[in-house]
Amino acid sequence: DVKVTQSSRYLVKRTGEKVFLECVQDMDHENMFWYRQDPGLGLRLIYFSYDVKMKEKGDIPEGYSVSREKKERFSLILESASTNQTSMYLCASGPGTGDSTEAFFGQGTRLTVV
Amino acid sequence: GQNIDQPTEMTATEGAIVQINCTYQTSGFNGLFWYQQHAGEAPTFLSYNVLDGLEEKGRFSSFLSRSKGYSYLLLKELQMKDSASYLCAVKDSNYQLIWGAGTKLIIKP
Repeated sequence: DVKVTQSSRYLVKRTGEKVFLECVQDMDHENMFWYRQDPGLGLRLIYFSYDVKMKEKGDIPEGYSVSREKKERFSLILESASTNQTSMYLCASGPGTGDSTEAFFGQGTRLTVV
Repeated sequence: GQNIDQPTEMTATEGAIVQINCTYQTSGFNGLFWYQQHAGEAPTFLSYNVLDGLEEKGRFSSFLSRSKGYSYLLLKELQMKDSASYLCAVKDSNYQLIWGAGTKLIIKP
């Protein structure tokens, strides 16, 4: 089975802190994604990556950055956490850009910024 | 802009059938996905449609009409464990997934 693992299930951070969310996948997928999920809204894409050291902005990249130094690992960085970044963060991976490619999700990190 | 619409919440009875609708307006179409998400857990893949018609997979079926920009997920013989949110997503012309807000399905005994 494909496994996508996020480093933390729950995090509480203070305003202004630098926050790292880590994601690792074990299926040699090219594509990796970071989403945030808020009540009443669909999954919103923050950043994605199609290859090592490659990154593309999604729909809401402001306040975030990413790093992909190795194929299996995709990190999301909140440079200076703010309360409006309190959310559920979901990492996903997928094998390619073909039509039927489904995304496999990690268990999510619920981040609270106080 | 791109838009995916689903009902916010639905209630159904154990053993019954429920249909969850999804309408979409996207720049291009490269397939429609349904995911299931239990509270506090990750979304898991249920089905994929790219051609018009019905795809059946056990108790779950998914239908697509590209001309109408419409899909539905049909759940038969409902079980309590089917209580979850159901997410509709469309791949647009850039192969990016556009997500609906999800439909929370409540199953009552």
